Amino acid sequence: KQEVTQIPAALSVPEGENLVLNCSFTDSAIYNLQWFRQDPGKGLTSLLLIQSSQREQTSGRLNASLDKSSGRSTLYIAASQPGDSATYLCAVLSSNYKLTFGKGTLLTVNP
Amino acid sequence: NAGVTQTPKFQVLKTGQSMTLQCAQDMNHNSMYWYRQDPGMGLRLIYYSASEGTTDKGEVPNGYNVSRLNKREFSLRLESAAPSQTSVYFCASSGLGGPNQPQHFGDGTRLSIL
Repeated sequence: KQEVTQIPAALSVPEGENLVLNCSFTDSAIYNLQWFRQDPGKGLTSLLLIQSSQREQTSGRLNASLDKSSGRSTLYIAASQPGDSATYLCAVLSSNYKLTFGKGTLLTVNP
Repeated sequence: NAGVTQTPKFQVLKTGQSMTLQCAQDMNHNSMYWYRQDPGMGLRLIYYSASEGTTDKGEVPNGYNVSRLNKREFSLRLESAAPSQTSVYFCASSGLGGPNQPQHFGDGTRLSIL
């Protein structure tokens, strides 16, 4: 059974700092890995999707990497802003139509 | 752009009551999903519909039924609500390529069962 772990569970940083969120998964036979953002009381917003054949994806200040063989992914956020405060979720697609989610990292960026 | 719309946003039920959660998407997506999100458990897939006319069980289907009414709409029904079904329910959809495409989520239905 696929298991996804996110470390740390919570992170508080000052504005402007670069930061890294970590995600690990137990079964390396995945189709893709996705990073989502969830704001309080809201649904999930897809940030980046990395196919199993890819090593990284970038969108603006966000960069996600994937090391499938070691079962790890990182989400790098450059020059963090208070508006980046949210819960970040990692999910892996390891069988058809079934995403397995981590429990998330709660990020707080302080002005 | 509405995206994925869920109704209702909040609901309180008594044990044993039934209700249907509605979901509609306006992105012409083929695949739709229902998840529940519980503290300490993360999101778990209840049911999904790969395309209009098909539905399949996810990780936690017991106590639920679904209907893919047409390409736009995918409903989730609780026939006899139980306190263990208190949760936040999310509907999502994805385009051609199904799960290899990013999923778009609604804002959720917060359901309490007393």
